Amino acid sequence: QVQLVESGGGVVQPGRSLRLSCAASGFTFSSYGMHWVRQAPGKGLEWVAVIWYDGSNKYYADSVKGRFTISRDNSKNTLYLQMNSLRAEDTAVYYCAREAAEGMDLWGRGTLVTVSS
Amino acid sequence: IQLTQSPSSLSASVGDRVTITCRASQGISSYLAWYQQKPGKAPKLLIYAASTLQSGVPSRFSGSGSGTDFTLTISSLQPEDFATYYCQQLNSYPPTFGQGTRLEIK
Repeated sequence: QVQLVESGGGVVQPGRSLRLSCAASGFTFSSYGMHWVRQAPGKGLEWVAVIWYDGSNKYYADSVKGRFTISRDNSKNTLYLQMNSLRAEDTAVYYCAREAAEGMDLWGRGTLVTVSS
Repeated sequence: IQLTQSPSSLSASVGDRVTITCRASQGISSYLAWYQQKPGKAPKLLIYAASTLQSGVPSRFSGSGSGTDFTLTISSLQPEDFATYYCQQLNSYPPTFGQGTRLEIK
């Protein structure tokens, strides 16, 4: 079954860290670029980061640059997002998504991150 | 690159023809995608390359445009089409989204 499953969300205090994971199955993970996209409660979609299929290139939104790190382990078919120095405004559902030729054609169900004291 | 969708919300009836517009702050050729999102669910890719229908998406959905102006059209609204729609540009990083258009039942 072709799917992405996120995990690792939860409640965390401001300034602390959290690592999200996205487990891929049913397709050749190592052939695809992968994205993280987030959605704050009641708000629209915000792109967070992308990593190329082989991990050779990474790009970040300005809002997370220097605090978040995207990585992948193709041997484990898993995508990661290391989130440091978390802020209240990072509270959101975080989705991982597969990059198609032009667009994101496969999404996980998301994992909720709540940053609160 | 900023994307501005209009309208921000829309009320329509089953069977109506609906058009949503997405305007880019600079030219993006045809590097535009449209997504549908239902409450509590992940977004779903509907159209890519401005006008190419994603596999499995009903033919009542269509997209057009290039450069800075794009449209998503639903030819005959079905009950399952009531959702929020987002455009996204993939011309350059960051791949920004529009603010969304909420399509509600009249």
